[in-house]
Amino acid sequence: AQTVTQSQPEMSVQEAETVTLSCTYDTSENNYYLFWYKQPPSRQMILVIRQEAYKQQNATENRFSVNFQKAAKSFSLKISDSQLGDTAMYFCAFMKRRGGADGLTFGKGTHLIIQP
Amino acid sequence: DAGVIQSPRHEVTEMGQEVTLRCKPISGHDYLFWYRQTMMRGLELLIYFNNNVPIDDSGMPEDRFSAKMPNASFSTLKIQPSEPRDSAVYFCASSLLGGGQGTQYFGPGTRLLVL
Repeated sequence: AQTVTQSQPEMSVQEAETVTLSCTYDTSENNYYLFWYKQPPSRQMILVIRQEAYKQQNATENRFSVNFQKAAKSFSLKISDSQLGDTAMYFCAFMKRRGGADGLTFGKGTHLIIQP
Repeated sequence: DAGVIQSPRHEVTEMGQEVTLRCKPISGHDYLFWYRQTMMRGLELLIYFNNNVPIDDSGMPEDRFSAKMPNASFSTLKIQPSEPRDSAVYFCASSLLGGGQGTQYFGPGTRLLVL
C-alpha cells in the first residue's frame, strides 16, 4: 500500500513571497503519477500540477513548480509570487499506474495562508 | 464544457434513513471515482469504476454502502441505513486515462449530515 505524508499542517507567508510545501511518499511501484490539488474554502478540489514518475524534468505551471526527487520519494510544491487567492488547503496525491488508472492516495494536507 | 456534476450539494437526514448521492461524470471519461472527506480520516477512496464496471471497492466502509454505475453518464452512492459517523463530504471524480493521463477532475461534493 502507498502512503503520502505532508509534514506541515499549516504554513503562513506574506503576499508575493515564495513558499514550498513538502510531500513525501512511500511505494514499491515504479510507474506512477503524483499530483498537487488545491482545496479553497468552497471545498472544490482543483488540480494544481501533475508529474509522471518516468519524467525526470520537473513539472511547472505558471507560478507553480515541483521538485521531484524520485530516489528520495519526495515531491514538493513551490509557489512563487504568492497571491491572496492561493490561500487554501493543498493536498499531495499519489496514483499508481499498472495498465489502467487507479484511485488517488492523499496526504493529510497543508493549510496555506497568504497574509496581505 | 460541463465538469463533474453532483447532487444534492447538501443533504441533512436522520439516522436510519436511506441516502442517495448522484454523480454525472465528464462526457467521454472512462473512469469514475467516489471519495469521502472527513476531518479524522482525510480524503479516502471508496470505490471506482472503469467503463461502468466496479474495479476496486475495498474502500467501501461496510455493507451499508453501495455504489452503481448503470451507464456511462450516471453513478449513485447509496447509504442504507445512514449513521451519524457517515457525516462527511462525498466527492465524485472522473478521468480519461489516455488523454488526460490519469488526471482526475472532481465534482463540487455533497456535504452529508446525519443527525
